[in-house]
Amino acid sequence: EAQVTQNPRYLITVTGKKLTVTCSQNMNHEYMSWYRQDPGLGLRQIYYSMNVEVTDKGDVPEGYKVSRKEKRNFPLILESPSPNQTSLYFCASSDRENTGELFFGEGSRLTVL
Amino acid sequence: GEDVEQSLFLSVREGDSSVINCTYTDSSSTYLYWYKQEPGAGLQLLTYIFSNMDMKQDQRLTVLLNKKDKHLSLRIADTQTGDSAIYFCAEFLYNTDKLIFGTGTRLQVFP
Repeated sequence: EAQVTQNPRYLITVTGKKLTVTCSQNMNHEYMSWYRQDPGLGLRQIYYSMNVEVTDKGDVPEGYKVSRKEKRNFPLILESPSPNQTSLYFCASSDRENTGELFFGEGSRLTVL
Repeated sequence: GEDVEQSLFLSVREGDSSVINCTYTDSSSTYLYWYKQEPGAGLQLLTYIFSNMDMKQDQRLTVLLNKKDKHLSLRIADTQTGDSAIYFCAEFLYNTDKLIFGTGTRLQVFP
């Protein structure tokens, strides 16, 4: 089954404690992206990757890092989380062909105390 | 500019039609999309329209595009309780290779 898998789905952490949200896709997509969803603000892009070892900042990259060492994985790293990073995070991938449809993971709800 | 706007809420009675509206500001968009987000889930592509089209119909869904006014709408005929979700419009900007999402419209269907 074609899917994008994120872990963890839910996490409560404290300010300053490094965490990583993993993302894996099994569709051999070159393009992957991270978004955060906040009430009234819709989805905002954090980082994206056009291919292995190629990553670029989105609209709200501050406080986040990513890496793309393999095609299937695109982890999101919060080196020193702060309460304003409390949000719902989505990973997505696309083959960027035809309609450019994005396939989304089920989301990771992060709370930073 | 890059701005996609939607109203935040829409409430309709089961069996009625729902119309969700979206306005965008960048004329370089090529594809325009409607994604559906059900509670506790990620977004799923519902339908899309290419920018050289005015209308697209897919079963209960009708997408209308007014390029002059930069206005996109999604009409759901015979709305069901299972249609309750958040609906996001999105535009793909060819010149910057970016996908811009709207703020989302929460559709609530009541019996």
